[in-house]
Amino acid sequence: RKEVEQDPGPFNVPEGATVAFNCTYSNSASQSFFWYRQDCRKEPKLLMSVYSSGNEDGRFTAQLNRASQYISLLIRDSKLSDSATYLCVVRLYNQGGKLIFGQGTELSVKP
Amino acid sequence: DTAVSQTPKYLVTQMGNDKSIKCEQNLGHDTMYWYKQDSKKFLKIMFSYNNKELIINETVPNRFSPKSPDKAHLNLHINSLELGDSAVYFCASSPSQGLYEQYFGPGTRLTVT
Repeated sequence: RKEVEQDPGPFNVPEGATVAFNCTYSNSASQSFFWYRQDCRKEPKLLMSVYSSGNEDGRFTAQLNRASQYISLLIRDSKLSDSATYLCVVRLYNQGGKLIFGQGTELSVKP
Repeated sequence: DTAVSQTPKYLVTQMGNDKSIKCEQNLGHDTMYWYKQDSKKFLKIMFSYNNKELIINETVPNRFSPKSPDKAHLNLHINSLELGDSAVYFCASSPSQGLYEQYFGPGTRLTVT
């Protein structure tokens, strides 16, 4: 079983749609949680950290459920520029900042 | 100014060769990392250095040897390249090994023929 699993993609949605990505992690020593965004042939960039209380950044909302070991990302009012691969990432406790990446879910927003 | 830079951006080489990839960060960070992204798009950590000291050494063939001459540089040397080494290699850095964002370089696309 992969340590971080994400919804298989790709997700093809029209502009303005709301899209949700799900992610589960298996290691209970996971300490910190993130969503990264990776554009085609580019480096990953931090989109947002994910906190237990849930957090929002503009059109993006992230949720964490530690009991279920589940993380989600909601994108409202999708823009063409949101097209990218979204990576669910966890950091393990006391392992030198090691990040564990999910495979990523590809999002394509169409006009 | 580029925060984390890698050279070369593209590297095409034949099996059996030895090659190096260089990484430099100008952020003043203490910790640097090497990740490998294979054809299935999985990003996996290979190594991490904190202030020139190796702190993460994943199960990687010993043909791969990282070197950190100073805390702003982390190079990756690969001996006897194999077809399976073809991937994109990303360098990253963070202020320290704690709870900080990691900043990634643009990647080096290695193709072994």
